[in-house]
Order: sequence, then structure tokens, then C-alpha cells
Amino acid sequence: EVQLLESGGGLVQPGGSLRLSCAASGFTFSSYAMSWVRQAPGKGLEWVSAISGSGGSTYYADSVKGRFTISRDNSKNTLYLQMNSLRAEDTAVYYCAKDDCSSTSCYEDVWGQGTTVTVSS
Amino acid sequence: DIQMTQSPSSLSASVGDRVTITCRASQGISNYLAWFQQKPGKAPKSLIYAASSLQSGVPSKFSGSGSGTDFTLTISSLQPEDFATYYCQQYNSYPPTFGGGTKVEIK
Repeated sequence: EVQLLESGGGLVQPGGSLRLSCAASGFTFSSYAMSWVRQAPGKGLEWVSAISGSGGSTYYADSVKGRFTISRDNSKNTLYLQMNSLRAEDTAVYYCAKDDCSSTSCYEDVWGQGTTVTVSS
Repeated sequence: DIQMTQSPSSLSASVGDRVTITCRASQGISNYLAWFQQKPGKAPKSLIYAASSLQSGVPSKFSGSGSGTDFTLTISSLQPEDFATYYCQQYNSYPPTFGGGTKVEIK
């Protein structure tokens, strides 16, 4: 069974940093692209970032480009999201997701339970 | 970025009703369209990919159709467990973008 378990969320002050982790199991982690998707309180879903299976290709939403960094450690079956210069508008539940790709077109077929990030002074 | 417009934003329906949700893309996306179901306090769940392919384990009462810019999700006979918010997502090009969601409520 595919399982994704996020951790690392919490309360952080504006301008601060946080690193999210996502531990994966039940599939060959290095063979799949992975994504982060977030959901602000009471709002819809917003794709944040994605990374290829090898880690050689990364993609970002304009809203986080230059502030967030996605990475992965295939030896540890773990996905990361380093979040710097955090803003109030980054407050959200952050979901880790496994991607199912047709060529370079990928959607999220399995989702973790989410971890909450709150940016507030 | 490709804009995804869902309609309606909410609907009230009764158990047993047939429900249709539409999703329109601001430009052609071929069939790179996914549908997700989200219940309150839970993670989204994949229902449909490639516009009309049913995700493994998803009951056949869910179906999807469309290509290009116009897509639909149909629930053939609404059951209590289907009351949730539904999102479409285009994955034809980066960044992937979601529709605003359709909340399906009990009448």
C-alpha cells in the first residue's frame, strides 16, 4: 500500500523558515515524480512544486519561486520542501503527493494526510 | 497559466440524484484533466485521470468526459458518502492548475 507521511509543519514568524518532509513507502520512490500541493484555510487547492524521480528536474509555482526549494533523498525515500522568507499567505495545509505521469504531464494520484504551516507573529 | 473554471461552485442534491459538474479550461488541454474528491478535514482523493479514466478502486458511479476545453464529472446516483467538494485539475502544462471546486451538499 502506498503511504505518504508529511511532517515538519508548525507555527513560524513572517520571514522565517521551515522544512517539510514526506516519508514515502509502498512503491519504488525513485521511479516517480513527486509534488507538493497546498490549501489555505477555507480555500481551494494550489499546486506548489514538483520534482522528477531522479531529482534532476524541478518546477515551482510563481508564488513560491525563489523562496521554496523542493528536493528528495531517494536513499531515504523522502521528499522535502525547504520554505524560506515565509509570508502570511503561505499559511496552509501542505500535502505531499505521488505523481502519475504520461511523458511530462503529471497529476497527483496518491496524497498524504497533510501538515499545517501557520505563518504569524 | 491555464485557468480552470468549475461550475456550479455549489449544488444541493438528494440521495439517488444524478449530478454533473463541469470544468472549462482557458485553452486546450487535450485530455490532461483530473478530478479529485475532498471531504472536510481530509486529503484530496484522485477519482478520474486523463479526462475519463477511472482511478483504481473508485466506484463506477463516477465518470468523466470531455476533451480540449470542456469537461464533465458525473455521479450517476448520489450516495451519502459522495457529499464532498470536487476539484478538476489540468496537467497539460506547468504549472498544473485547479478549478475553484464544487461543493456537493445534501438537499
